[in-house]
Formats: sequence, C-alpha cells, structure tokens
Amino acid sequence: DTEVTQTPKHLVMGMTNKKSLKCEQHMGHRAMYWYKQKAKKPPELMFVYSYEKLSINESVPSRFSPECPNSSLLNLHLHALQPEDSALYLCASSPTSKKRNEQFFGPGTRLTVL
Amino acid sequence: AQTVTQSQPEMSVQEAETVTLSCTYDTSESDYYLFWYKQPPSRQMILVIRQEAYKQQNATENRFSVNFQKAAKSFSLKISDSQLGDAAMYFCAYRSVMDSNYQLIWGAGTKLIIKP
Repeated sequence: DTEVTQTPKHLVMGMTNKKSLKCEQHMGHRAMYWYKQKAKKPPELMFVYSYEKLSINESVPSRFSPECPNSSLLNLHLHALQPEDSALYLCASSPTSKKRNEQFFGPGTRLTVL
Repeated sequence: AQTVTQSQPEMSVQEAETVTLSCTYDTSESDYYLFWYKQPPSRQMILVIRQEAYKQQNATENRFSVNFQKAAKSFSLKISDSQLGDAAMYFCAYRSVMDSNYQLIWGAGTKLIIKP
C-alpha cells in the first residue's frame, strides 16, 4: 500500500460547525503533515507529527486542532472556522530516514466555510 | 534561511516537444535534497523526481530529468516528449538534511500548459 487517503473529499461547513478531517497511511511512515493550500499557491505547512508527537505547529489558530491517534492516522478537528479558512487541506507522510525522505501526499479535502 | 525561487509563473509547450522549468534556491548548507512535485488539476500532489545534493549525477525518471548545478544553486526540470497529461502546476522544493522536522521549502510554482 503506497498511498495516503483522506476523507472527506469535499466538506462544506458553517462557521459554528464542528467537523473533522481524516488522513490514513499504511506505509509505515513515522512523520505526518497537515498543509493548507490556496489555489495556484504552494502548500503552507500547518502541523508536523513525528513519531506520533506534535513537533511543529506553525502558529496555526486554535480553531484547528490536530490529533495523531496512532502511527497510521492523523486527524484535523475544525471548530468555529472563518470563510478565509476555505482551502484545500492536504495530508502527507514521509519516512524519517536520511536516505528516504520524500513526502507522499493524499488527494486532499476541499473545504468551504460559509 | 533557505529560499526557493521559480521565476516562471506559467509556461506552455507544444505536445511532443521539450520544455524546461527553472528553479533556483539559496542555502548555506552543503547537504540537502531537492524535489520536483507535480499537481494536476485533479489536485493530487505527486513526486516527479528527487535529487540528493551530494550526488553529482543528474536524476532521471523516464521523460523527466533534472539539470542540477550545485555551484549555481540551480535545479531545472526538463520534460521530454511532452504529453497532455503533463499539464499541471509544478513545484520545486528543498529539504535540509539537518532539519529533524523534515520540512519542505517550496517555490511559488509554475503552471505548465500543453498545447495539442
């Protein structure tokens, strides 16, 4: 299994809703990432988990809350989002060795906040 | 801090011809990795090619090859025999060997259009 899966593919939510994005990989990677991407822009790093511990939080607002229940799963909990949070949310994973370190990306969740 | 620059916001090429996308970077490090990623309109980000800085040989993957000029800090991507399926945003990315958080530094991207 060489893929990263993300659910849902599309999500529309109001500013008062609570929702979660899910990401899963079975490649044995011990680093997992959440990115936010606006159209025609590069991904912006939000969070990095390394060995199931949060190692980077790029000053992301608290309305985004990551969770890594185990080495295969990564969640992003959303609460009280703003319209400017509408974007493509990408999950990625990578090995943690120096020799193999490329990131593998999921297909993304297209989020629209009304 | 490292930076990655892609100076071509958009490129177009006739189908079956060759196109080169440019990428330059700035770093004081001697050991690092460079990547080209492709993101078609369907949005999945796919790794195209990977180069290790300590390897002088340019990486090649089928129709995709790089021209890695370490002294000039240049990492261009050549696509030979362009196909309609090559139409996508192409991002150049840098990763420091020393970064234990495995972060990628991204260029702004180049939109590649393939003319039939």
